[in-house]
Amino acid sequence: EPEVTQTPSHQVTQMGQEVILRCVPISNHLYFYWYRQILGQKVEFLVSFYNNEISEKSEIFDDQFSVERPDGSNFTLKIRSTKLEDSAMYFCASKKEATNEKLFFGSGTQLSVL
Amino acid sequence: KQEVTQIPAALSVPEGENLVLNCSFTDSAIYNLQWFRQDPGKGLTSLLLIQSSQREQTSGRLNASLDKSSGRSTLYIAASQPGDSATYLCAVMDSSYKLIFGSGTRLLVRP
Repeated sequence: EPEVTQTPSHQVTQMGQEVILRCVPISNHLYFYWYRQILGQKVEFLVSFYNNEISEKSEIFDDQFSVERPDGSNFTLKIRSTKLEDSAMYFCASKKEATNEKLFFGSGTQLSVL
Repeated sequence: KQEVTQIPAALSVPEGENLVLNCSFTDSAIYNLQWFRQDPGKGLTSLLLIQSSQREQTSGRLNASLDKSSGRSTLYIAASQPGDSATYLCAVMDSSYKLIFGSGTRLLVRP
């Protein structure tokens, strides 16, 4: 089965630093998502992205967050000035069409902000 | 706003037992419902996907049912094994095609 790839698997950063989390969605997919999971909490929706635009974002996705599809294969999540509370597992997901088909998830990036 | 609840939060059973995990959602306007497995510190493994028009799906020892009108789904695991120990997450796809997750049921199957 095709896979969504996320790098790095672990990222440690100092508070106030910028981080970029990278994802390579499945090649023919057009809809992209970021989710996060703080330790011991629910998986939460952050943002959805289609046709080089944000389709929807949650209240968590404030001005510190941005997403980009810099080329035909990568999808990135940038956090401009990390806070301690940004420490979480971040999941990228993708799907082919705007339908009820399955979302494919990557294995996640564990971000630790010190 | 869609809310997804999973009961119980944790479950411990002896090996070989059949068990049922419950998921409920507040808004029946969903496209589908997915069950995931998550091992500690790991990613999400998709187990079963039930479309809104379907009543159940089966994969091996797993069977998931969906009653959309009452806002409920169950995941049935037959003949549980220690390797089934993990957190099981339920998620519904809402009207904007994003998944809303429950908090999960942490399952321990004792040898």
